[in-house]
Amino acid sequence: EPEVTQTPSHQVTQMGQEVILRCVPISNHLYFYWYRQILGQKVEFLVSFYNNEISEKSEIFDDQFSVERPDGSNFTLKIRSTKLEDSAMYFCASSEGFMGAQLYGYTFGSGTRLTVV
Amino acid sequence: AQSVTQLGSHVSVSEGALVLLRCNYSSSVPPYLFWYVQYPNQGLQLLLKYTTGATLVKGINGFEAEFKKSETSFHLTKPSAHMSDAAEYFCAVSKGRSQGNLIFGKGTKLSVKP
Repeated sequence: EPEVTQTPSHQVTQMGQEVILRCVPISNHLYFYWYRQILGQKVEFLVSFYNNEISEKSEIFDDQFSVERPDGSNFTLKIRSTKLEDSAMYFCASSEGFMGAQLYGYTFGSGTRLTVV
Repeated sequence: AQSVTQLGSHVSVSEGALVLLRCNYSSSVPPYLFWYVQYPNQGLQLLLKYTTGATLVKGINGFEAEFKKSETSFHLTKPSAHMSDAAEYFCAVSKGRSQGNLIFGKGTKLSVKP
């Protein structure tokens, strides 16, 4: 079964440092997403990405965040200057199409646990 | 605005007993509703979904959920719990039929006792 792969599984970083979280979506999927879950809280939408541009973003996704698809396979989330409150599990997801998410659901990766110290 | 409430952050059942995980939603448009499961150290896996049509939806691993518009509920059930069902379960609603992102509940951790 095709999978969404996320690396690393755990990352510890110092406050103020930049981090890049990496994701390899399913190869024939066209829409890509980042979600995060702060410990004990809800899974929250960050951003969706299609055709090499952001299609939607939440209020959480401020100027310190950016996404990129640097090549045909990777999808990255960069946090420029990490804060303590960025500590969370970050999930990448992909879907076949825009309505694919509605009809088939996303395929999620297993997440990257980011700890900012 | 859409929202999801999952009653009970932790539910414990005995093996073989009925599993009932509660989810209520609010939505200004007809919703698409989802249940996801997360096993330890794994990603979110789709259990089942409601989009249109039959209100009783069957998913993987013997789970099912019923969309009740009058009660704005989408509770997840399984007649007989198995030890392997121990996981965290998330209910989610689509933000709208024209948008792809999901609004999640806080999750319910299911424990199954032998």
